Amino acid sequence: LAKTTQPISMDSYEGQEVNITCSHNNIATNDYITWYQQFPSQGPRFIIQGYKTKVTNEVASLFIPADRKSSTLSLPRVSLSDTAVYYCLVGGTGGFKTIFGAGTRLFVKA
Amino acid sequence: GAVVSQHPSWVICKSGTSVKIECRSLDFQATTMFWYRQFPKQSLMLMATSNEGSKATYEQGVEKDKFLINHASLTLSTLTVTSAHPEDSSFYICSARGSGQGGDNSPLHFGNGTRLTVT
Repeated sequence: LAKTTQPISMDSYEGQEVNITCSHNNIATNDYITWYQQFPSQGPRFIIQGYKTKVTNEVASLFIPADRKSSTLSLPRVSLSDTAVYYCLVGGTGGFKTIFGAGTRLFVKA
Repeated sequence: GAVVSQHPSWVICKSGTSVKIECRSLDFQATTMFWYRQFPKQSLMLMATSNEGSKATYEQGVEKDKFLINHASLTLSTLTVTSAHPEDSSFYICSARGSGQGGDNSPLHFGNGTRLTVT
């Protein structure tokens, strides 16, 4: 299983773009990269998933370099409600188990 | 979108009693379900992986006789905490990966968790 490393915490202000980078040096060929968001006392919520290059949806973008040893979640114009813990997961396809790293605690200030 | 319903959302029980937590996939079939435990300010810790129709696979250090997992159908998995003690108090979360949704690379869908307090 690919181990992930993220910053423990980040601070930002409303309206700013936030980029959270995750390192996954031993990612396997078949592994996808998935990001989740978790609010206190709630289950994680899927944000975005990608395999390579760039993926964009209505809430975020995911940038993955050619070597796939890292990925960056980009949140455009964050608001106070984006204060949460963000987890980067690698692998976990099919029946394989999914292991959570420590995650990044994002605090958005007014 | 895919919805996973977890019930109850919170439960308080006395030490020595058993508690059952249900996890249901409402609009898709879940061939694989995962159970996690989360302590305050910590990440999710995987407890076990269950596949429909077969025995659950438990992570190292998780007592299978204490945390009974049953995945009898493609839409329901249950976690029973047997003879609960105060140290079992935690936030329990289930997740499911459906079949036929993006294939093996489908993202996980999580329940909203169950807060267990053992007094």
